[in-house]
Amino acid sequence: QGQLVQSGAEVRKPGASVKVSCRASGYTFTSSGISWVRQAPGQGLEWMGWISTTSGSTNYAQKVQGRVTMTTDRPTKTAQMDLRSLRSDDTGTYFCVAGIVSHDAFDIWGQGTLVTVSS
Amino acid sequence: QSVLTQPPSVSAAPGQRVTISCSGGSSNIGNNYVAWYQQLPGTAPKLLIYDNDKRPSGIPDRFSGSKSGTSATLGITGLQTGDEADYYCGTWDSSLSAQVFGTGTKVTVL
Repeated sequence: QGQLVQSGAEVRKPGASVKVSCRASGYTFTSSGISWVRQAPGQGLEWMGWISTTSGSTNYAQKVQGRVTMTTDRPTKTAQMDLRSLRSDDTGTYFCVAGIVSHDAFDIWGQGTLVTVSS
Repeated sequence: QSVLTQPPSVSAAPGQRVTISCSGGSSNIGNNYVAWYQQLPGTAPKLLIYDNDKRPSGIPDRFSGSKSGTSATLGITGLQTGDEADYYCGTWDSSLSAQVFGTGTKVTVL
């Protein structure tokens, strides 16, 4: 069974940066890109972007473009999401996700990483 | 704001059937596959339906999906207390070049 395991919770001050990592196991890492989805407290799901695990090409959501960088490392089967210039509305749970059954759906989800931005 | 609209909540008694609608447009639902996710309290979302109407391995046939034009529907039959959760639709939006999710629907079992 495919699995994504994420790094632990983070607390940052406004203006700082945060890195969230995600390690894959139980499936062929390069069979799917990695997307990042976040969820503000009590709110819905928001797609942040995608990275190819084969070419490293990326596609970022307009809302975070310029503040986010997504990377992958094939030998360690790890993906990382860096978010800069943090604001209070970046507070939420961040999920890494992969789609194996379909390119248009996410069937493998990380457990989530809570990022809190507070002064 | 999300480009996909869902009802905020639906409810029914145990054993009954509920449907959740997801309304979009030609740039998303109209020309792309739809997926449905279930999010139990405090957990990561779980894929229920992909490619409009397919169920991943392990998902019971009480859950079904359909699509017509620019709308999609998730059906849940034989409602159980364990089905109380938030449900989200999702699809690709070709105009935005982005994955988009619905506003979410809370299912309550009365």
